[in-house]
Amino acid sequence: AAGVIQSPRHLIKEKRETATLKCYPIPRHDTVYWYQQGPGQDPQFLISFYEKMQSDKGSIPDRFSAQQFSDYHSELNMSSLELGDSALYFCASSLLQPASSYNSPLHFGNGTRLTVT
Amino acid sequence: GENVEQHPSTLSVQEGDSAVIKCTYSDSASNYFPWYKQELGKGPQLIIDIRSNVGEKKDQRIAVTLNKTAKHFSLHITETQPEDSAVYFCAASRGVGYKLSFGAGTTVTVRA
Repeated sequence: AAGVIQSPRHLIKEKRETATLKCYPIPRHDTVYWYQQGPGQDPQFLISFYEKMQSDKGSIPDRFSAQQFSDYHSELNMSSLELGDSALYFCASSLLQPASSYNSPLHFGNGTRLTVT
Repeated sequence: GENVEQHPSTLSVQEGDSAVIKCTYSDSASNYFPWYKQELGKGPQLIIDIRSNVGEKKDQRIAVTLNKTAKHFSLHITETQPEDSAVYFCAASRGVGYKLSFGAGTTVTVRA
């Protein structure tokens, strides 16, 4: 079965540079979530999109932005990178139809490991 | 917002023994509780979930129980095997497909 695809798998950037992470959800999924996971920590929610509109916002820095495109893939744009941004970034997708019994659980990609030097 | 607490943070068991991980949540509106297994270099993988209208669910060697009154739920792994070694996260949300709030994770090591 098709899974969530994230690219790149690894990314090394210097401080103050920018980075773009991409996420391709499972086919027919309409909702995308971005999570940040530091070493030894649990995933922290950053932002989500439902049907190409931002649906929720968590602890995402103002230096980060994201969007979901017409083909439902999503991109997380990170600017003015700091050493503390080094982490694993996960994308998850789900099918979320309000008041529906056909919603799917969140399925995660294998993440992008961002290292800021 | 939702606050999920998870215990223990590490768990070492002998192969063949059982492992139990416990979580509590704070938001009464939460009604969906999945468990994820994360192996090194991979994303969290859903292993079992339970909804608030069910008290217990079992899938082969894995079972989850939910006490909605007390706001706690548990993961039970029986007959543990070395491939069960991983980090396990509990999570809570207000429904299937909605944003998840995670516990801090439990590192399970199964000793051969």
